[in-house]
Amino acid sequence: GENVEQHPSTLSVQEGDSAVIKCTYSDSASNYFPWYKQELGKRPQLIIDIRSNVGEKKDQRIAVTLNKTAKHFSLHITETQPEDSAVYFCAASTYGQNFVFGPGTRLSVLP
Amino acid sequence: GAVVSQHPSWVICKSGTSVKIECRSLDFQATTMFWYRQFPKQSLMLMATSNEGSKATYEQGVEKDKFLINHASLTLSTLTVTSAHPEDSSFYICSARFQGSTGELFFGEGSRLTVL
Repeated sequence: GENVEQHPSTLSVQEGDSAVIKCTYSDSASNYFPWYKQELGKRPQLIIDIRSNVGEKKDQRIAVTLNKTAKHFSLHITETQPEDSAVYFCAASTYGQNFVFGPGTRLSVLP
Repeated sequence: GAVVSQHPSWVICKSGTSVKIECRSLDFQATTMFWYRQFPKQSLMLMATSNEGSKATYEQGVEKDKFLINHASLTLSTLTVTSAHPEDSSFYICSARFQGSTGELFFGEGSRLTVL
């Protein structure tokens, strides 16, 4: 089955700096890769996603890149703000099948 | 995005009692819903996949007689924790996959269960 790894487990950055979180997956059949942000005690919220036919996607300060050959994808947050502090989860899925989540990255943006 | 509502958001019960958690897709039909359990500072652990009109598929190590799942309609799935014990205390989250062409997964608010 699919296995998703995520690094780093914790990340601290200064406000205004960039943050990068990386994930790898094992199943070459996976074709959908979402990223979720979860604040303490709240539900995970989809912040960006990418499909296997695209190499990069950007939405304002957030971008995701995908390298299918290497089976890894990354989340990039630029100009970080304190409200970006949360736990971020990557996931891999084959459309129509279950999502496998990474272990999460706790991001702290220091003012 | 699509809306998934989960109820109750928190519940406290005595050991030995059963607790039911509801998960509803409010503005779309979901033939498949997923139930996760999340321990503090950990990732989402899939418990079972709930399919409308058929039996749920449980992940290895999850007791189906302990965690009863019913998906009687396209908008409602329920998780019942039977004979709850303190070790069942956790954050339970449901999710539903949007049945449009995109297939995004949307989560309920989560239910924090505390068993005394």
